[in-house]
Amino acid sequence: GEDVEQSLFLSVREGDSSVINCTYTDSSSTYLYWYKQEPGAGLQLLTYIFSNMDMKQDQRLTVLLNKKDKHLSLRIADTQTGDSAIYFCAENPGSQGNLIFGKGTKLSVKP
Amino acid sequence: DGGITQSPKYLFRKEGQNVTLSCEQNLNHDAMYWYRQDPGQGLRLIYYSQIVNDFQKGDIAEGYSVSREKKESFPLTVTSAQKNPTAFYLCASMTGSKTDTQYFGPGTRLTVL
Repeated sequence: GEDVEQSLFLSVREGDSSVINCTYTDSSSTYLYWYKQEPGAGLQLLTYIFSNMDMKQDQRLTVLLNKKDKHLSLRIADTQTGDSAIYFCAENPGSQGNLIFGKGTKLSVKP
Repeated sequence: DGGITQSPKYLFRKEGQNVTLSCEQNLNHDAMYWYRQDPGQGLRLIYYSQIVNDFQKGDIAEGYSVSREKKESFPLTVTSAQKNPTAFYLCASMTGSKTDTQYFGPGTRLTVL
């Protein structure tokens, strides 16, 4: 079945790089997404990558996609305390637009 | 300002009462979604609607009902049949194109006492 997996927690020091990993199961997914959720708030789209791309960079964010291994990662350079949040990986495997979400990785940034 | 609004942000109800959560969007999006979020569980799809007057059950539709009479509005009713309704509820919308993504509202935290 469809499943998206992420580790639940990641702790880094301010200024270091953070890498959040995700594995997905549906090779037909055309788009893969990263969302950020701050406490008590909705999800905010950070970035997405089309399945025929290997990498996408957007300021401090770098997304890497290994389609063969169905592995997606989000790298945040120079991590700041404001980056502390839950990060969700999601895939779009079908034609109806329904996204399949991972359980989220809680990133804690220590000063 | 374009966006998705959910109201209220916090909602308290007594056990056995039905309650309706509001979701409105002015993005002119065709599709709308309701998710439930519990700690450590990620997001689970309750219902979705791709067009006015039509909607489909998601993975955990039991105990919930929806309507889609207008493009802008997709209210969710949590009925007394829902065994464990206390949760954070998120509404999202999307244009319906495969190249687009879902945009989320700020959420409603429902607590059943």
